[in-house]
Amino acid sequence: GDSVTQMEGPVTLSEEAFLTINCTYTATGYPSLFWYVQYPGEGLQLLLKATKADDKGSNKGFEATYRKETTSFHLEKGSVQVSDSAVYFCAHPYSSASKIIFGSGTRLSIRP
Amino acid sequence: DVKVTQSSRYLVKRTGEKVFLECVQDMDHENMFWYRQDPGLGLRLIYFSYDVKMKEKGDIPEGYSVSREKKERFSLILESASTNQTSMYLCASSLGQGVNEQFFGPGTRLTVL
Repeated sequence: GDSVTQMEGPVTLSEEAFLTINCTYTATGYPSLFWYVQYPGEGLQLLLKATKADDKGSNKGFEATYRKETTSFHLEKGSVQVSDSAVYFCAHPYSSASKIIFGSGTRLSIRP
Repeated sequence: DVKVTQSSRYLVKRTGEKVFLECVQDMDHENMFWYRQDPGLGLRLIYFSYDVKMKEKGDIPEGYSVSREKKERFSLILESASTNQTSMYLCASSLGQGVNEQFFGPGTRLTVL
């Protein structure tokens, strides 16, 4: 069945460090992939998305490329800030296009 | 500014009580969802509604029911709360057909004693 696997946290980095959060998926249909972010005390919000193979989604300095050959959608940022501290979820649609399956989340903490 | 609101941020209930969690969205979305969020498990779908009075079970519906009498409102009901239902509950909504962004409320942290 469909699944999303992402690297376990917590991940702790210093400000301006390079970030990678790994995500791999198995999907039987609906090719879109998402990264959602949850800031402390808030609900999730969409960070970026890609709708087909080789697409790159980007937002707020974050990027992720939909790699069909490796079934991956790794999240990257060149220089993280304290304000990026949050929980990040990789996700994709399943069963029906309206439903989304989420990974277990990766907590990111950035030290000043 | 689009919004999904949930009736409470924090709730404490006793075992066996009937619990209502309310969610309202102002975006005229057809789809609404209830998830629970637990450490290490991510988000798990409890119930999904794609129209007024329509509902579909998610991955973990046991112990829960839902009600959607109006398009903007989706209620989650715990008929007889148990301690293993202590969790963070998140409501979300999205446009109808196709792959669309889900918009989330801030969550309700429910503790069942």
